[in-house]
Amino acid sequence: GQQVMQIPQYQHVQEGEDFTTYCNSSTTLSNIQWYKQRPGGHPVFLIQLVKSGEVKKQKRLTFQFGEAKKNSSLHITATQTTDVGTYFCAGPSRFTGGGNKLTFGTGTQLKVEL
Amino acid sequence: DGGITQSPKYLFRKEGQNVTLSCEQNLNHDAMYWYRQDPGQGLRLIYYSQIVNDFQKGDIAEGYSVSREKKESFPLTVTSAQKNPTAFYLCASSPPGRYSNQPQHFGDGTRLSIL
Repeated sequence: GQQVMQIPQYQHVQEGEDFTTYCNSSTTLSNIQWYKQRPGGHPVFLIQLVKSGEVKKQKRLTFQFGEAKKNSSLHITATQTTDVGTYFCAGPSRFTGGGNKLTFGTGTQLKVEL
Repeated sequence: DGGITQSPKYLFRKEGQNVTLSCEQNLNHDAMYWYRQDPGQGLRLIYYSQIVNDFQKGDIAEGYSVSREKKESFPLTVTSAQKNPTAFYLCASSPPGRYSNQPQHFGDGTRLSIL
């Protein structure tokens, strides 16, 4: 079945440093979504990318969808303590019995130190 | 204020016991989902429902059961057949449309532990 891997699994940065997480799918994706989960919290939707090579920005966050639509990245510029959490990518896949579902990546846990 | 409500927040299960986790949404979403999250891990899909009275097994359905008698409600039962139930359980829903393209909204989760 489809697999969605993320690297790195963990990342510790000093506040003000940049951070990037990479997402790779074993199959071509029609779109990719990104979620953030704060410690002890639930995943919150951040953004969806649909087009090949698409780049979207949300303040200090930059999201990119690869040309082949099999990989994506999230880059945070000048991290802040509020960025702490686990970032997940998610891509659609088919159920064997029909219907669609999201397959979540393994996640990258970000810790920001003062 | 629309959202997804999961209860209880914490749940303890005794050996051989079935327990039911509640998930209610007032977002008028058609699709609802149950995920399991183990410490430091990603989300694994347990069950998925596109419409009332219909649901499909996800990747790790063994030892779990669900029902979808109302659009707003999608309870998950963790049966005694699930030998390792300790985990964080998340319920989610998504709006109408092409389900896999819609963002999912999550509840606050239920933490289940074995006594």
